[in-house]
Amino acid sequence: GAVVSQHPSWVICKSGTSVKIECRSLDFQATTMFWYRQFPKQSLMLMATSNEGSKATYEQGVEKDKFLINHASLTLSTLTVTSAHPEDSSFYICSPLKAPNNEQFFGPGTRLTVL
Amino acid sequence: QKEVEQNSGPLSVPEGAIASLNCTYSDRGSQSFFWYRQYSGKSPELIMSIYSNGDKEDGRFTAQLNKASQYVSLLIRDSQPSDSATYLCAAARNSGNTPLVFGKGTRLSVIA
Repeated sequence: GAVVSQHPSWVICKSGTSVKIECRSLDFQATTMFWYRQFPKQSLMLMATSNEGSKATYEQGVEKDKFLINHASLTLSTLTVTSAHPEDSSFYICSPLKAPNNEQFFGPGTRLTVL
Repeated sequence: QKEVEQNSGPLSVPEGAIASLNCTYSDRGSQSFFWYRQYSGKSPELIMSIYSNGDKEDGRFTAQLNKASQYVSLLIRDSQPSDSATYLCAAARNSGNTPLVFGKGTRLSVIA
């Protein structure tokens, strides 16, 4: 298996503030990290793909200036939701890719509530 | 367009029965297949991976793959109420760092 941590596990913030979510792969190195979000009773939605040391690739409809992704090391990636609004309230989940079988593991998720 | 199709359910089975979850995929280039379990309010957890045709067993779980039919299934033997969750099927090409293609999930309910 693999151990992935996310911090914070939940956060409540006021509209207009920025929130940083950290994702760490604790027992393996992840060259590639995927970020998802999931609204209640809906499927996982891929937001972006990041490779260590490179700029992230964003899915259509995801604003790269609003969702800042940094993948500076093989064990840490961060997602910053800038100027959060109530419609950004969601469950954000990181998913590092583990070699050699390219298995995707998931962090425990961060529940963001924007008031 | 690469797609993974699953029956959304809910699939209800009595405790102790075999639960059978099915999945089809459209991309013939897919080489790796995964089953994830997601409890409500939690993130997905990898429970099985399968890469070659045939069956793969792990405890009460058996994954089956038929690449000719583009079909993947998951059998859960001796189903328990704790198995009640949404099960996600996923496929990957194993080429580079492309993300998995997920199905929308099948909701399983095991009735005590």
